[in-house]
Amino acid sequence: EPEVTQTPSHQVTQMGQEVILRCVPISNHLYFYWYRQILGQKVEFLVSFYNNEISEKSEIFDDQFSVERPDGSNFTLKIRSTKLEDSAMYFCASSGTWDRENTEAFFGQGTRLTVV
Amino acid sequence: GNSVTQMEGPVTLSEEAFLTINCTYTATGYPSLFWYVQYPGEGLQLLLKATKADDKGSNKGFEATYRKETTSFHLEKGSVQVSDSAVYFCALSVPSGGYNKLIFGAGTRLAVHP
Repeated sequence: EPEVTQTPSHQVTQMGQEVILRCVPISNHLYFYWYRQILGQKVEFLVSFYNNEISEKSEIFDDQFSVERPDGSNFTLKIRSTKLEDSAMYFCASSGTWDRENTEAFFGQGTRLTVV
Repeated sequence: GNSVTQMEGPVTLSEEAFLTINCTYTATGYPSLFWYVQYPGEGLQLLLKATKADDKGSNKGFEATYRKETTSFHLEKGSVQVSDSAVYFCALSVPSGGYNKLIFGAGTRLAVHP
């Protein structure tokens, strides 16, 4: 069964450092997403990406964040200068063409980011 | 705006007990509704979904019915097992630019004891 894969599973970084979280979405999907889950809290939408550009972003997704699809398979989330409050689990997801009978988004296993 | 409200946890049950986790939603437009499960240390897995009113989603003994009149999508299971211990998230998506952005509830932790 196709799956979304994320690397690394856990990353520890020092405050102020840049991090790049990587995702390989399902190959024939068109829409890509990043979500964040601070420990013990709800899963929050960060950004969606379609046709090589951001289609929507939340207020959490400020100038410190960027996304990129550098090649035909990877989808990355970059945090330029990490803060302690960026510590969270980051989930990548992808979905196909919108269809009332095919509305599922597939999630990766997540990357746990710890900023120290 | 669009939002999802879930009952607060944790929910603690004995094995073979009946489970209900309440979920209500507010949405502009006609949402699809989902339950995701997160087992300890793992990612999000789709448990079940319903895309129109009165649809019943079901999987692994769990069920939820899309109730438009009460804007609810309560999760039920007749007999829980220890292996069902996890965090359960209710979620919705509303057509927006043709993609599947999800809005999640706060999650409900379920602990099942032998």
